[in-house]
Amino acid sequence: NAGVTQTPKFRVLKTGQSMTLLCAQDMNHEYMYWYRQDPGMGLRLIHYSVGEGTTAKGEVPDGYNVSRLKKQNFLLGLESAAPSQTSVYFCASREAGVEYNEQFFGPGTRLTVL
Amino acid sequence: GENVEQHPSTLSVQEGDSAVIKCTYSDSASNYFPWYKQELGKRPQLIIDIRSNVGEKKDQRIAVTLNKTAKHFSLHITETQPEDSAVYFCAAPLIGFKIIFGKGTRLHILP
Repeated sequence: NAGVTQTPKFRVLKTGQSMTLLCAQDMNHEYMYWYRQDPGMGLRLIHYSVGEGTTAKGEVPDGYNVSRLKKQNFLLGLESAAPSQTSVYFCASREAGVEYNEQFFGPGTRLTVL
Repeated sequence: GENVEQHPSTLSVQEGDSAVIKCTYSDSASNYFPWYKQELGKRPQLIIDIRSNVGEKKDQRIAVTLNKTAKHFSLHITETQPEDSAVYFCAAPLIGFKIIFGKGTRLHILP
């Protein structure tokens, strides 16, 4: 099993450009999450999904959109990139269940917006 | 609002000594408390977790304690080694399937 994978690993954008980050998991997990990690700020939740076709806002959703058309994929879109979106983006997934359980993270995408 | 506070932000300990990192949470309904370790340039990985029906859990040199009344939980690392140098994150779940992370503690193990 590959676990959670992210594409691309690195990307440099100019202000105003758009892009899509892809997260894929092969563990048949129901729940998927997008976080951004900035120095001193920890991991902040952008959007999440509790199943195919569903999405919800996290702590810092502005400027981002997401889609979960297939259970194994969770896409994060930036329609008009801004320098404030320079960050490392992590995707994570976990099993559904009444009780919480381990989140598995992808390797991250380092995004720089000039 | 709902949040998780983590202290200290940076911690330096001599190799072989113990390290303690503390977190407090605000949502009294939280019932699962994981700790993640993130090495430089790597992804966060779960190292230990505890559920609200127990007060302490150990796994070799690491342990987590939970005080639900005070809404805080702590990570304890004993006999620290160079490979323990990393950033550690606590987390707590919120209603609606969200999991919120603390801001992290950078642990330095000094030779």
